[in-house]
Amino acid sequence: QVQLQQWGAGLLKPSETLSLTCAVHGGSFSGYSWNWIRQPPGKGLEWIGAIKHSGSTNYNPYNPSLKSRVTISIDTSKNQFSLSLTSVNAADTAVYYCARGITIFGIVVTGTYYSYYMDVWGKGTTVTVSS
Amino acid sequence: QSVLTQPPSVSGAPGQRVTISCTGSSSYIGADSHVHWYQQLPGTAPRLLIYDNTNRPSGVPDRFSGSKSGTSASLAITGLQAEDEADYYCQSYDSSLGGYWMFGGGTKLTVL
Repeated sequence: QVQLQQWGAGLLKPSETLSLTCAVHGGSFSGYSWNWIRQPPGKGLEWIGAIKHSGSTNYNPYNPSLKSRVTISIDTSKNQFSLSLTSVNAADTAVYYCARGITIFGIVVTGTYYSYYMDVWGKGTTVTVSS
Repeated sequence: QSVLTQPPSVSGAPGQRVTISCTGSSSYIGADSHVHWYQQLPGTAPRLLIYDNTNRPSGVPDRFSGSKSGTSASLAITGLQAEDEADYYCQSYDSSLGGYWMFGGGTKLTVL
């Protein structure tokens, strides 16, 4: 059974860099999308970005201030992927989750379809940005 | 703001049936994009509840069901139980702009 174990610093000062790592245990590392999601206190889920085994990445295009500061990387030798967020501020205070993404692109008679969802989640890491 | 719209809250008494809607434009809930649902119990990580509009992962009770029609999707919960009190999120995918995994704003279910 696949499990995701995540860790990283929980308390940062403004302008510092957030670094989190997620290790994949008990399953294949290839063939999936590896995602980071965050949830500010009392608010909903926000997708940050994802990386594939090949190293290709994509980031949330609707949050330009986040996209310009984020880097997601992967270490296939360790079955781990990481999140780096530079120049953090109070608005980056949130619980950060890693998650495994299923990505299926299908072709049927009526056209194409995307089946992209997250089936395994880490427990979350609380990150607080405060001076 | 989210591109998928959910009601902020719904409620129901034990044993009742409730539904949670998820609406979006054709770019986000179109014929080519499936909708998925997650349950988030207080203080825990989200859990996949429904995938590909209607399918339940192993271990999810059949009290939970999903449907999709046009640019709207719904999650139905029958035989409501106290442990169903949680936040529920819909999620879809937009292949434009390099790919975007989008969530609805979430719905808080209160069991009365």
